[in-house]
Amino acid sequence: DAGVIQSPRHEVTEMGQEVTLRCKPISGHDYLFWYRQTMMRGLELLIYFNNNVPIDDSGMPEDRFSAKMPNASFSTLKIQPSEPRDSAVYFCASSHRQGSDTQYFGPGTRLTVL
Amino acid sequence: KQEVTQIPAALSVPEGENLVLNCSFTDSAIYNLQWFRQDPGKGLTSLLLIQSSQREQTSGRLNASLDKSSGRSTLYIAASQPGDSATYLCAVQAGANSKLTFGKGITLSVRP
Repeated sequence: DAGVIQSPRHEVTEMGQEVTLRCKPISGHDYLFWYRQTMMRGLELLIYFNNNVPIDDSGMPEDRFSAKMPNASFSTLKIQPSEPRDSAVYFCASSHRQGSDTQYFGPGTRLTVL
Repeated sequence: KQEVTQIPAALSVPEGENLVLNCSFTDSAIYNLQWFRQDPGKGLTSLLLIQSSQREQTSGRLNASLDKSSGRSTLYIAASQPGDSATYLCAVQAGANSKLTFGKGITLSVRP
């Protein structure tokens, strides 16, 4: 398996623009997680899905952020409009079972909002 | 609210040294604890997962221990190598359906 795939790897955009990050989880994994990593706050969970259904989105910072999982092999995280404080590395991870299984992380998308 | 602390933030050791990385958490009611490795510009890779009923897990030169009552875990790396240079993060999970709470990590540099 190719592991968790994220695109793009790097994104530079201007404030106010819409940004869409994409993730393909490992085939057969039932859980998908979106994280954000910054120097100040470390790694934070934004939202996670189980069988394509959002379970906990309490980490989504505000209404500018939205996430979807239309099928078992694809998820998107959208920021609209983007702001400089959204600059961070965004990771997608997947796991087969949440409790006992480890999470497998993608390589991340480094987002810079100018 | 669970808080996970990893001190120091950075560590530099000579090659061959045995070393211990520390992790502490405020709420001892955890479901499991995991140690991850993160290389620069890369995602996290799971190293070891310790269930709450376990005291330790071993994989090769790595050994992770868990003391729930004191809210501590350690990652022991034997005979360190330059290839071990990376950031090591610990994360705790409160329940089977709970999120992972991460520490900020310890950046390890192993000097040849």
